[in-house]
Amino acid sequence: GAGVSQSPSNKVTEKGKDVELRCDPISGHTALYWYRQSLGQGLEFLIYFQGNSAPDKSGLPSDRFSAERTGGSVSTLTIQRTQQEDSAVYLCASSLASRNNEQFFGPGTRLTVL
Amino acid sequence: KNEVEQSPQNLTAQEGEFITINCSYSVGISALHWLQQHPGGGIVSLFMLSSGKKKHGRLIATINIQEKHSSLHITASHPRDSAVYICAVTGNQFYFGTGTSLTVIP
Repeated sequence: GAGVSQSPSNKVTEKGKDVELRCDPISGHTALYWYRQSLGQGLEFLIYFQGNSAPDKSGLPSDRFSAERTGGSVSTLTIQRTQQEDSAVYLCASSLASRNNEQFFGPGTRLTVL
Repeated sequence: KNEVEQSPQNLTAQEGEFITINCSYSVGISALHWLQQHPGGGIVSLFMLSSGKKKHGRLIATINIQEKHSSLHITASHPRDSAVYICAVTGNQFYFGTGTSLTVIP
């Protein structure tokens, strides 16, 4: 079956612009995660959705970052007024049920802010 | 101090060698994950552990909850095992190690 997909695969934007990154999780997976991997750095948790529960936003680095998940499926990560330090690979993952299940990762979106 | 510490940071091995990567954590967890990331590639989940030991092919992962420690072993290593191996823990929060970069030389 289809895995987790993300779009776009690459995004170049100018400082100050808003960007939207999309994630399509595996069908039937109720948990969805967004992570960030900056160049030469480790993975960083951003936000976690589980079913209809309120999302865990504890990893979002600033109020310029937001995410939503419509209909319990597709998710969009929005970064407003992008800064150069937002340049990173943004990864989405999904899993069955809770955060304590195996996660399946998408290929990531490489964001470059000029 | 990082909540998840991995060692070594970098590892070079000859093909066929037995490899061990270690992960120690300092927080309460519900599960520990071992992830693999090939250069320029995506991330693949290798194991998810909450206790004991799991084996998949040449890969073995163990966890000691009391000692807050996990190990990933690769038997009969092969150049295609060259990748970054990442330890991650989930509980109330998500924490990641900085990864171990493994190079297996033919």
